[in-house]
Amino acid sequence: IAGITQAPTSQILAAGRRMTLRCTQDMRHNAMYWYRQDLGLGLRLIHYSNTAGTTGKGEVPDGYSVSRANTDDFPLTLASAVPSQTSVYFCASSRQASGEQFFGPGTRLTVL
Amino acid sequence: GQNIDQPTEMTATEGAIVQINCTYQTSGFNGLFWYQQHAGEAPTFLSYNVLDGLEEKGRFSSFLSRSKGYSYLLLKELQMKDSASYLCAVRDEDYQLIWGAGTKLIIKP
Repeated sequence: IAGITQAPTSQILAAGRRMTLRCTQDMRHNAMYWYRQDLGLGLRLIHYSNTAGTTGKGEVPDGYSVSRANTDDFPLTLASAVPSQTSVYFCASSRQASGEQFFGPGTRLTVL
Repeated sequence: GQNIDQPTEMTATEGAIVQINCTYQTSGFNGLFWYQQHAGEAPTFLSYNVLDGLEEKGRFSSFLSRSKGYSYLLLKELQMKDSASYLCAVRDEDYQLIWGAGTKLIIKP
């Protein structure tokens, strides 16, 4: 692994289903982030974690949850997917909370 | 509220120079970033400004005026591969990044 990986690359999901998007980094970065990117809008922060064991809410946290059990992994869970959660999801990490962010390749999620 | 403004789209000619502007109104300021994002790919870091002035990095330069809430990204000697979206992001008082919607740059031969 080099950098940040995300899985799956893309997914079509029925509304009401539970889904976990996976994110793993091998750079030993302290901070990790989940964004969604929708056409015509900037990246919007969903949740973040400044260090393992801690998480915080971003601009659009409703309907999403995260955990940070260790430094490398930062999964994002949609408890009961809705069509408005159709988006491209990017995971990112930075050495410290104040640093440059490195992005994963993204997960394209469609909720029908 | 917090706001980052960038033009939606710009067109330029291969070999020319283009300036992409970004104005911001945020709760506090702890630095401004520019990222490049090719279609279907992840954003990648281009530059960072925290003090007023110009930062030069090869064909790309970024300028910041904190008093005016203004930055620009200058791309010289444009190449076809520079066709991408350019994202401006400001780190606010809580050290969170606030992102503009991005400027789609189209390069014509």
